[in-house]
Amino acid sequence: AQSVTQPDIHITVSEGASLELRCNYSYGATPYLFWYVQSPGQGLQLLLKYFSGDTLVQGIKGFEAEFKRSQSSFNLRKPSVHWSDAAEYFCAVGDPGGSGNTGKLIFGQGTTLQVKP
Amino acid sequence: NAGVMQNPRHLVRRRGQEARLRCSPMKGHSHVYWYRQLPEEGLKFMVYLQKENIIDESGMPKERFSAEFPKEGPSILRIQQVVRGDSAAYFCASSLGPHNEQFFGPGTRLTVL
Repeated sequence: AQSVTQPDIHITVSEGASLELRCNYSYGATPYLFWYVQSPGQGLQLLLKYFSGDTLVQGIKGFEAEFKRSQSSFNLRKPSVHWSDAAEYFCAVGDPGGSGNTGKLIFGQGTTLQVKP
Repeated sequence: NAGVMQNPRHLVRRRGQEARLRCSPMKGHSHVYWYRQLPEEGLKFMVYLQKENIIDESGMPKERFSAEFPKEGPSILRIQQVVRGDSAAYFCASSLGPHNEQFFGPGTRLTVL
């Protein structure tokens, strides 16, 4: 069965430090891959997505992610964290298509990011 | 261009009552997904609908839960005879198609007393 694992439930970094949030997935082929951010009490905002092509994907707010097929990973990175980046981050996979596939997303449990001043 | 709209944003129900959650997709989107987020957990897929059709309800509880997306009007997620375990945030997402980007609404936070 498809699954997504975010090994880190909570991460704390200092403002200005670099950030890497981990995401591993289990899927029979190469899925569509997403990172979403959720601020408290809010909905989800898409940071970036990978469908195919260049394995290094640039997103909004200075985030990037790298798809590594050999490691079944899609880690999110940011070179310098800002206090406003404190939020919950979700990695998700989607089925890339084919008969009977509905495009539903499977989410990881999320990583809560705290930023120290 | 308005985004996905959900109402109410907060809903309080007593055990045994019914809860109705509404989702208006983005303009031009005819595909709607419902997800549930329990406290301290990620989002879990519930149901996928196109106009007037339920395409995939594999994530829906077998009893008390139903969803519809009529030809006119918003998509409705209905929970009958709510129990405390139904307390969660319910998110709706819409897209142009089943493999297009999903845009999420702000969610409805249901509290069952």
